Amino acid sequence: QLQLQESGPGLVKPSETLSLKCTVFGASISSANYHWAWIRQPPGKGLEWIGTVYFSGSTYYNPSLKSRVSISVDTSKNQLSLDLSSVNAGETGIYYCASAPAGRHWFDPWGQGVPVTVSS
Amino acid sequence: EIVMTQSPVTLSVSPGDTATLSCRASQNIYSNLVWYQQRPGQAPRLLIYGASTRATGLPARFSGSGSGTEFTLTISSLQSEDFAIYYCQQYTNWPRTWTFGQGTKVEIK
Repeated sequence: QLQLQESGPGLVKPSETLSLKCTVFGASISSANYHWAWIRQPPGKGLEWIGTVYFSGSTYYNPSLKSRVSISVDTSKNQLSLDLSSVNAGETGIYYCASAPAGRHWFDPWGQGVPVTVSS
Repeated sequence: EIVMTQSPVTLSVSPGDTATLSCRASQNIYSNLVWYQQRPGQAPRLLIYGASTRATGLPARFSGSGSGTEFTLTISSLQSEDFAIYYCQQYTNWPRTWTFGQGTKVEIK
């Protein structure tokens, strides 16, 4: 059974880089059967797609974040990574990783999410 | 950029009744529409994909319909665990992007 678990610092200073990891259990992150994504949710607000990485290595980012975001895969650790630079307080929220069946465009399953606060 | 608009923002429904949620796309998205449920303190959960296909194990009281720009999620015989926030999501092939609606909260009347 595929499961995902996010991890990372809960507090990041404004203008610094937010770095998160997502460990995949139950499947190889290099499997051709899945794509991997990051999605975030500010407190009390809706969901915002951050970006997706395909098993081929191709990456797709939210145009509003594209200049500051990087998503990568570490096959040795079976982990997905997110780096978001120059963060501000408005980027406080829950960050989720999720998988999508290859060739499909829905996210299932999701990790439980990791809370991140951007504050000095 | 495709914008997804959900209505209403909040829906008050009595247990046992039917809830009808709407999602509108600003452009034709064919059947590339997904519905998720998010309970308080939990991650979103896949309900419906391809506009009308139920996820594995989802009760039949959940149904999705629509295509093009207008979509509906219907929940019949509402049970206590169904009171949650529901999000629609679309996928665009070019540029390759995924977009969520702002959500509809289904609350107990």
